[in-house]
Amino acid sequence: GQNIDQPTEMTATEGAIVQINCTYQTSGFNGLFWYQQHAGEAPTFLSYNVLDGLEEKGRFSSFLSRSKGYSYLLLKELQMKDSASYLCAVKDSNYQLIWGAGTKLIIKP
Amino acid sequence: GAVVSQHPSWVICKSGTSVKIECRSLDFQATTMFWYRQFPKQSLMLMATSNEGSKATYEQGVEKDKFLINHASLTLSTLTVTSAHPEDSSFYICSASQTDIGYTFGSGTRLTVV
Repeated sequence: GQNIDQPTEMTATEGAIVQINCTYQTSGFNGLFWYQQHAGEAPTFLSYNVLDGLEEKGRFSSFLSRSKGYSYLLLKELQMKDSASYLCAVKDSNYQLIWGAGTKLIIKP
Repeated sequence: GAVVSQHPSWVICKSGTSVKIECRSLDFQATTMFWYRQFPKQSLMLMATSNEGSKATYEQGVEKDKFLINHASLTLSTLTVTSAHPEDSSFYICSASQTDIGYTFGSGTRLTVV
């Protein structure tokens, strides 16, 4: 079966750095996405990785290792507004998005 | 950038009635749109893939006669929840993609059936 694993919840301090991990087992791979979702709102696109390596975009970076079926989202200089759920999703061989359950990130002052 | 508009944002309806949710791509043509359902503290669950001009493809376990999808044009897809019941109360979200990356989501519809 297809499976995406990410921690259920993480807590971090304002101004710090946090890494959210995602491991996947899917039938084929055509890219991995990270989305941010605030409570009661729709997800918003953060990043897309299709090749191995690190993609940096401002305070957010995303890393991919296809051989390990592993990705992480790195958030730097955390702000209170970063409190949200972070969803990892993989596009499989049928170009269908498989979603992780999401990681709820709690930022404390 | 690609914008997807979804209406209504929230709706309360009586049990047994039907509710229609609209999803529009405002600045691009979407031959394919996706409908998701999300229960509290759970991830997105794909309900169906809506294809312009053809029948929608439903995921296993989703009743196609209960969740009617119409994709009559390249910019509009609708989801109608027929004979709604309290267990249908959920957050429904549509999405579309202008390219192979960066799926854009609508703002979502909070449905409460009383």
